[in-house]
Amino acid sequence: GQNIDQPTEMTATEGAIVQINCTYQTSGFNGLFWYQQHAGEAPTFLSYNVLDGLEEKGRFSSFLSRSKGYSYLLLKELQMKDSASYLCAVRDGTAGNKLTFGGGTRVLVKP
Amino acid sequence: DARVTQTPRHKVTEMGQEVTMRCQPILGHNTVFWYRQTMMQGLELLAYFRNRAPLDDSGMPKDRFSAEMPDATLATLKIQPSEPRDSAVYFCASGSRTGGINEQFFGPGTRLTVL
Repeated sequence: GQNIDQPTEMTATEGAIVQINCTYQTSGFNGLFWYQQHAGEAPTFLSYNVLDGLEEKGRFSSFLSRSKGYSYLLLKELQMKDSASYLCAVRDGTAGNKLTFGGGTRVLVKP
Repeated sequence: DARVTQTPRHKVTEMGQEVTMRCQPILGHNTVFWYRQTMMQGLELLAYFRNRAPLDDSGMPKDRFSAEMPDATLATLKIQPSEPRDSAVYFCASGSRTGGINEQFFGPGTRLTVL
């Protein structure tokens, strides 16, 4: 089975940096995804890690350590539009590659 | 641009009524997922299809929920009879196993309220 933990809520200031941590336990790890979800909208894909290390994509970066069952999403130069929920999801290669989502971290960016 | 579509976007119904939600996956995608999202439970997988065949519906209450893919362009999720606890946003997502990251693309969701 899967167990995914991430903080419920975080607050940061416009222009700052925020790091959202995600820890997971899984039986058949086959990749970790981060999705962004604005209130009332669908989740949209942000990043993907399957090997250890850092993946950078503009202002967003995602890190993975498979041995520690740990990932983080780093949001730099925060903008007001970054206020959203960020969902960590783990793919299980032994279960048809389905995703299990964490509860999401709601990030509030203040001026 | 290609996107997953869902209908209806909003549905209000009374307890006991049948509810049918529809999803059109992105053309060419061969995997379709149904999720339910509530404040309390977050995003939960209900059912999953690959090449129109159901692979996993372990997250779905079998007595009242059913999911089908009559053809490659249509997936349906049906609740009969509906109950107030079914009130949630139901998302459909599609993906492709033809290489790459195989991320899932989500539709806009159906917001269901059962009174």
